[in-house]
Amino acid sequence: NAGVTQTPKFRILKIGQSMTLQCAQDMNHNYMYWYRQDPGMGLKLIYYSVGAGITDKGEVPNGYNVSRSTTEDFPLRLELAAPSQTSVYFCASRPGGSETQYFGPGTRLLVL
Amino acid sequence: GEDVEQSLFLSVREGDSSVINCTYTDSSSTYLYWYKQEPGAGLQLLTYIFSNMDMKQDQRLTVLLNKKDKHLSLRIADTQTGDSAIYFCAEIGDSNYQLIWGAGTKLIIKP
Repeated sequence: NAGVTQTPKFRILKIGQSMTLQCAQDMNHNYMYWYRQDPGMGLKLIYYSVGAGITDKGEVPNGYNVSRSTTEDFPLRLELAAPSQTSVYFCASRPGGSETQYFGPGTRLLVL
Repeated sequence: GEDVEQSLFLSVREGDSSVINCTYTDSSSTYLYWYKQEPGAGLQLLTYIFSNMDMKQDQRLTVLLNKKDKHLSLRIADTQTGDSAIYFCAEIGDSNYQLIWGAGTKLIIKP
């Protein structure tokens, strides 16, 4: 199993540009999550999904959108990038019946 | 809302024990976690404890939970240079979907 994979590893965006951060897991986990990690801060939940076709907002959803058309994939969309979205983004997944989340390696995003 | 607090830094000498502390406010907390993040890497689950336990030991790691004081600690025995990382405390409560994270404690190892 590859576990949780994220692409790209690093990206620089100009203000106002759009991009999609990809996340995939091959463990057949129902639950998937997107977090952002800012320096000196804990992780903040952006969006989460409890299964294909079902998504919901977390603590900091503004400026982002998600979709979950398959169990494996959970892309995060930034429509109009802003400097405040400069952060490290982590995707995670967990199986139903377990509270343990498995994390991807992260995507570093710089918005200039 | 619920909150998890940690000190931002801890400095210890190689070979000593490290004790990283965490306090939380959620009285309905069910699971509490310690994650490790090495520089430039993702988060790795170190260990977790159920809220009905007060201690869990796993090789060099000992987790202590004081539910009355809402205090969690992670003790690393015989700290090595490879233990240098940021350690995150997190908890999950009755909501069952959202982990609440501390800001992380950076463990610095002195030779």
